[in-house]
Amino acid sequence: GAGVSQSPSNKVTEKGKDVELRCDPISGHTALYWYRQSLGQGLEFLIYFQGNSAPDKSGLPSDRFSAERTGGSVSTLTIQRTQQEDSAVYLCASSQDRGQPQHFGDGTRLSIL
Amino acid sequence: SQQGEEDPQALSIQEGENATMNCSYKTSINNLQWYRQNSGRGLVHLILIRSNEREKHSGRLRVTLDTSKKSSSLLITASRAADTASYFCATDRRTGGGNKLTFGTGTQLKVEL
Repeated sequence: GAGVSQSPSNKVTEKGKDVELRCDPISGHTALYWYRQSLGQGLEFLIYFQGNSAPDKSGLPSDRFSAERTGGSVSTLTIQRTQQEDSAVYLCASSQDRGQPQHFGDGTRLSIL
Repeated sequence: SQQGEEDPQALSIQEGENATMNCSYKTSINNLQWYRQNSGRGLVHLILIRSNEREKHSGRLRVTLDTSKKSSSLLITASRAADTASYFCATDRRTGGGNKLTFGTGTQLKVEL
């Protein structure tokens, strides 16, 4: 597609459930990033992929969070045993290569009840 | 405190006026980028200024960078109601594992008719 696509756009789930968020980057973009944005806040870096490998996972808040990228394209962010503090907008971005401007999707708004 | 802090947090101006937003950061950078976010949407890249550049223009946008003061400013001239959005600066500090953008908490700009 023309831009970065994320799904679902909204997700409401109960505390303790697992959730999977999907990101479809711009075709040909080798770098992919996940961020988290809490209400009225800036973006918190979670993880960066170059191709299928993740050279920087330093932003993942706990071992409940994991991400993978396959085929140098689609990425999934998985949150296990969700907690209320996981409620936020999760944004994905891609860029042609590291250091290039990033193109963002519209995010997944995650609400944990 | 965060790498990349915008000032002011909120700004309200009349259409046609200029809007100036400032960003301060703490460590050395490769480049600094400005992004815009409309409510409920992802971020849109506006402009990138490299550490060896002092000023850059793009349409109605003017960005300055002072690496000695670790600060940047974004000027939007002849503002329009459609410029109403949140504006974020982001610093690119290339690390061993890959580049990482660190975002500030943003300036909320409201342009009134």
